[in-house]
This record gives sequence, C-alpha cells and structure tokens, in this order.
Amino acid sequence: DAMVIQNPRYQVTQFGKPVTLSCSQTLNHNVMYWYQQKSSQAPKLLFHYYDKDFNNEADTPDNFQSRRPNTSFCFLDIRSPGLGDAAMYLCATSRGLATYNEQFFGPGTRLTVL
Amino acid sequence: AQTVTQSQPEMSVQEAETVTLSCTYDTSESDYYLFWYKQPPSRQMILVIRQEAYKQQNATENRFSVNFQKAAKSFSLKISDSQLGDAAMYFCAYRPGGNYGGSQGNLIFGKGTKLSVKP
Repeated sequence: DAMVIQNPRYQVTQFGKPVTLSCSQTLNHNVMYWYQQKSSQAPKLLFHYYDKDFNNEADTPDNFQSRRPNTSFCFLDIRSPGLGDAAMYLCATSRGLATYNEQFFGPGTRLTVL
Repeated sequence: AQTVTQSQPEMSVQEAETVTLSCTYDTSESDYYLFWYKQPPSRQMILVIRQEAYKQQNATENRFSVNFQKAAKSFSLKISDSQLGDAAMYFCAYRPGGNYGGSQGNLIFGKGTKLSVKP
C-alpha cells in the first residue's frame, strides 16, 4: 500500500546532540510537510517542500532544518535539541498545495531529549 | 488570524451510541475547508471527513457526519453507532481555500478531543 513512513518511531537524544528524523513516501506526492506536536497540543507546521521549493514558517526556530534530496524522502534535522523540543514529529504529504488536496500523515516519530 | 477551538478535551461514549464533538473557528475568509482528523493511539492521523465552506449540504461519510453552521462558525462531528475502533484523538482543522505556496494555506488544527468508547 502507498504510504508515508517515518523512521525511527521513537528517538532518544541528548541535550545539544544533533538528531535527524526521516520521512519517506510511496505516494509520489509533490508536497511534504513537517509538523511538531507537543503533548496535549495541536500539530504545528514547521515547514514544507513543494518539490524542491522550501517554505519555512516564520516562527520555526533556526534550530530546525530540513532536506529533501528527492521526491520520496524528506529529513528533519534538529541541530542542537533542547528539552523543549521533545515532541511528536509528524510528516505529511499531499499531491499539491491546493486546499482540496488531502494531507496524508505518517505515524510520527516521538523524540525524547535527555 | 484564523483559530480553531475544540472546547471538549475529553469525551466518552457507550458502544453503539451517538456522540457529537464540537468545534468552532474564527476566520474572515469566505472560501475555506474544514476537516476532522482522527489520530488513534500510536498510529497515523487520518482524514475522517471534510467540508467545503461554499457547500451548504453537510458532509457525510458512513457513520460520520458534520453539522456545519457557517454563520455561527461551528463545525461539529457526529459519530453514530460508535465502535471500539473509534477511540482516538479527534482534531478539527481549518484551511483557507485556494492554491497557496506560502503560509497562507496552512492547515490550522484545534487542540483535539480525546474520545473514549466504552464496551
């Protein structure tokens, strides 16, 4: 089945130690999104790619970066994780940016910062 | 700025009964979409139902239906014949209509309602 895959499902890192979260998709969608979801809060968009075009949300900390080497893969890099970065990170894809395009979500990666 | 409010952090329903989850939103736009997403424990978020603001008819998907009150900016989700598999976090979300390349077209989520289904 076509899907959005996130690895790992659980990631533990140390304060200040760089970490990379991975997302891949078999849907061949043009758009890939990264959301941060803290406990008991709504998912919050960090950034998205439309093909190779990167769009960063204004309030996304500089500590967070992303790479999309090809259509299928997108990575979230956290350069120096702080305790406040502990959260579920959700990857999503959509065929296009128009509103009618459904966003398909991966299962998420739960990041713990020690 | 657009906001989405879900006033019920938790809800509970007996199996086979009906439950309604509330959602209100604030926007000055006339063209937008509203969504309900379901996030089961440790599983991915999936789209349950969507409503286009310019459509007066309430959307329905099997046991799931919405009550869309545009003037009141209300978008509630009704789950009929509740099943154990309906237990999940439910998020209401808003997105302005159109084709956006920047932040204007972001999906804005409410904080969610945790639904428990009792056997």
